[in-house]
Amino acid sequence: EAQVTQNPRYLITVTGKKLTVTCSQNMNHEYMSWYRQDPGLGLRQIYYSMNVEVTDKGDVPEGYKVSRKEKRNFPLILESPSPNQTSLYFCASSGVWGGAETQYFGPGTRLLVL
Amino acid sequence: AQTVTQSQPEMSVQEAETVTLSCTYDTSESDYYLFWYKQPPSRQMILVIRQEAYKQQNATENRFSVNFQKAAKSFSLKISDSQLGDAAMYFCALLGDTGTASKLTFGTGTRLQVTL
Repeated sequence: EAQVTQNPRYLITVTGKKLTVTCSQNMNHEYMSWYRQDPGLGLRQIYYSMNVEVTDKGDVPEGYKVSRKEKRNFPLILESPSPNQTSLYFCASSGVWGGAETQYFGPGTRLLVL
Repeated sequence: AQTVTQSQPEMSVQEAETVTLSCTYDTSESDYYLFWYKQPPSRQMILVIRQEAYKQQNATENRFSVNFQKAAKSFSLKISDSQLGDAAMYFCALLGDTGTASKLTFGTGTRLQVTL
């Protein structure tokens, strides 16, 4: 089954404790992206990756890091989480521009930073 | 920069009736894609319908159809014969080419309530 998976689905942590949210897709997609969803703001892009070892900032990259060492995986790293990073996070993937442009989303990760 | 605006934070429709959700956008690109995503209480993002800007014909998917007005930069979603399962948050999104990558920009969403 074609899908995007995220882990963990729910996470409660404390300020300053490094954490990683994993994202994996099995569709051989080149493009992967991370979004955060906050009430009244919709989804905003954090980082995206066009392919292995190619990443770039989205609209709200501060406080986040990403890496793309393998095509299927695109982890989101919070080096020192703060309460304002409490949010619902989505990973998404798609084919490259000009190909399968529709982005497929993972199930979401709900993060609470105390 | 590209923007997407959904001016209706909440809408309500009776079961079996028709409802239209509004979306306007702005982009300097001539070639782009527009989407409507549904987010039920499970929080999963589900693609409802997509429209290629170069196609004049409005997209349809069963009970869902769009009214795409390219000159007016308007992309509304019509849901016919509304069902209880249609109750969800609906997001309009624009996929444009920023020059270095394709970027998906979302509106702030419209919460649709379906009543008996």
